[in-house]
Amino acid sequence: DAGVIQSPRHEVTEMGQEVTLRCKPISGHDYLFWYRQTMMRGLELLIYFNNNVPIDDSGMPEDRFSAKMPNASFSTLKIQPSEPRDSAVYFCASRASGRAANTGELFFGEGSRLTVL
Amino acid sequence: EDKVVQSPLSLVVHEGDTVTLNCSYEVTNFRSLLWYKQEKKAPTFLFMLTSSGIEKKSGRLSSILDKKELFSILNITATQTGDSAVYLCAVLGSSNTGKLIFGQGTTLQVKP
Repeated sequence: DAGVIQSPRHEVTEMGQEVTLRCKPISGHDYLFWYRQTMMRGLELLIYFNNNVPIDDSGMPEDRFSAKMPNASFSTLKIQPSEPRDSAVYFCASRASGRAANTGELFFGEGSRLTVL
Repeated sequence: EDKVVQSPLSLVVHEGDTVTLNCSYEVTNFRSLLWYKQEKKAPTFLFMLTSSGIEKKSGRLSSILDKKELFSILNITATQTGDSAVYLCAVLGSSNTGKLIFGQGTTLQVKP
């Protein structure tokens, strides 16, 4: 299995621009999570989906952030307009339900490093 | 609010030293505690703990959970430079969804 695939790996953009981050979960995994990691705040959960449906978006910082999962193999996290404080590494993670649900083990993508100038 | 606190936040040791990393938590309806190692890329899974007092071991790494005192430790013996990484503790709490709450992480640097 190719694992969780994220793109782009790096993005540098200017304040005010729209940013779209993409994620392909592991095939068969029905949970998908978006995390943001910064030095100051560590790993923060932004939103997660189950069977393509958003379950908890309480971690989304503000209305500038939105996430979609149009099908089981693709999700996007969009920031519009972007601000310098959005600079972080954004991780996508997925897992299967069933036994793994009780242990919480997630499989992470390589992350998308975003820099907003 | 669920919370996970790790200490120390950073640590510098020399090869061969033994280190102990700490993780304390406050969560509703605790289910499991997980340790991850993060080098320059994505976190990779180390251990999952659900029961108190049962040590998990993998080579030079070991971990144990105390559900009464609400903490876990991760021990690394005979450290090597390849152990340099951020070690993340995460807890699965009240919902059965795999929503992990992460601590801030401990940055370990092992010098030759």
